[in-house]
Amino acid sequence: DTEVTQTPKHLVMGMTNKKSLKCEQHMGHRAMYWYKQKAKKPPELMFVYSYEKLSINESVPSRFSPECPNSSLLNLHLHALQPEDSALYLCASSHPGQGEFNYGYTFGSGTRLTVV
Amino acid sequence: GENVEQHPSTLSVQEGDSAVIKCTYSDSASNYFPWYKQELGKRPQLIIDIRSNVGEKKDQRIAVTLNKTAKHFSLHITETQPEDSAVYFCAATKYNFNKFYFGSGTKLNVKP
Repeated sequence: DTEVTQTPKHLVMGMTNKKSLKCEQHMGHRAMYWYKQKAKKPPELMFVYSYEKLSINESVPSRFSPECPNSSLLNLHLHALQPEDSALYLCASSHPGQGEFNYGYTFGSGTRLTVV
Repeated sequence: GENVEQHPSTLSVQEGDSAVIKCTYSDSASNYFPWYKQELGKRPQLIIDIRSNVGEKKDQRIAVTLNKTAKHFSLHITETQPEDSAVYFCAATKYNFNKFYFGSGTKLNVKP
């Protein structure tokens, strides 16, 4: 299995809703990431988990709450979002940087989120 | 932190011609440089990467070159085909660090 699977593919939510995005990989990668991508822009890092521990939080508002229940799963819990949070949310995984080597990401297909 | 600049923002070429996309980086400690291709509505996909101990790497029609002294790296696509049309992102990162710094992207249009 060489894929990162994200669900749902599309999500429309109101500003008072609570929803969760899910990401799963079975490649044995121990680093997992959440990215946000607006149209015609590069992916923007939100969170990094390394060995199931949060290692990077790019000053993301608390209405986004990540969770890494185990080495294969990554969730992003959403609450009280704003319309400007509408974007493509990408999950990625990789082997963590080890020694002198680093490795490219495998991205999931993303969840296209619309906040109304 | 690292700053990656990418040029051009858009590039149109005729099918069969070559395309070159250039990136510069600011942190001399960066040592890993991947390139991603993102087709419309799809995920970014890693197409080639290069590490700082190598000056050039090729994979069929694509190649990447790295000049550590000048702190720039380039993607070269030869014999372009319409299916090469996409947005290409360069990125840079360093030893033992999981954050990748992305360039702003280049929209490549290959005209049949």
